[in-house]
Amino acid sequence: SQTIHQWPATLVQPVGSPLSLECTVEGTSNPNLYWYRQAAGRGLQLLFYSVGIGQISSEVPQNLSASRPQDRQFILSSKKLLLSDSGFYLCAWSVEGMGSYGYTFGSGTRLTVV
Amino acid sequence: QKEVEQDPGPLSVPEGAIVSLNCTYSNSAFQYFMWYRQYSRKGPELLMYTYSSGNKEDGRFTAQVDKSSKYISLFIRDSQPSDSATYLCAMSASPEKLVFGQGTRLTINP
Repeated sequence: SQTIHQWPATLVQPVGSPLSLECTVEGTSNPNLYWYRQAAGRGLQLLFYSVGIGQISSEVPQNLSASRPQDRQFILSSKKLLLSDSGFYLCAWSVEGMGSYGYTFGSGTRLTVV
Repeated sequence: QKEVEQDPGPLSVPEGAIVSLNCTYSNSAFQYFMWYRQYSRKGPELLMYTYSSGNKEDGRFTAQVDKSSKYISLFIRDSQPSDSATYLCAMSASPEKLVFGQGTRLTINP
């Protein structure tokens, strides 16, 4: 069966520090991968999605970046965090070309920038 | 105007009540419609999926899509305290992108 792992679960980082969040998927090949952010009281905002290794599409201009170094690994990074980067970050995957049938989400990382 | 509108609530109902959750949307190209349930501090989980217009039932849950009105609903019958969560609607026109509503926070009171 397919599983998605996301870590860490919680993170407190000072303003200006770097960020690296990692997501891995098991039990499938060539998944579509997504990074979402959920701010308090707001919906899910798509940040990045990837349909293959090295293929990253950015939805929102910001100081975050994403990389997909391996087929089932998706990394969200920042060189210098801002207070506004605080939120709940969710990684998700879908079967290649089948995203319209729904995504499977990880358990999320709650990031607080102080 | 947002592509998907969803009342954030909060909505509080007594146990056993019928719950109605709704979303409206503006993009007529949307063909796939979903409802996700999200418990506090957890990732969303897919609850119901519907293609195009019509109804779909799964146990106590019924999803309805009215494309002519650009309106989707989720009904929960015989609501239980364990149904307390945030419910997010989602929809898409292409495989790569789902568009989510803001989510409605629901509390079922024993």
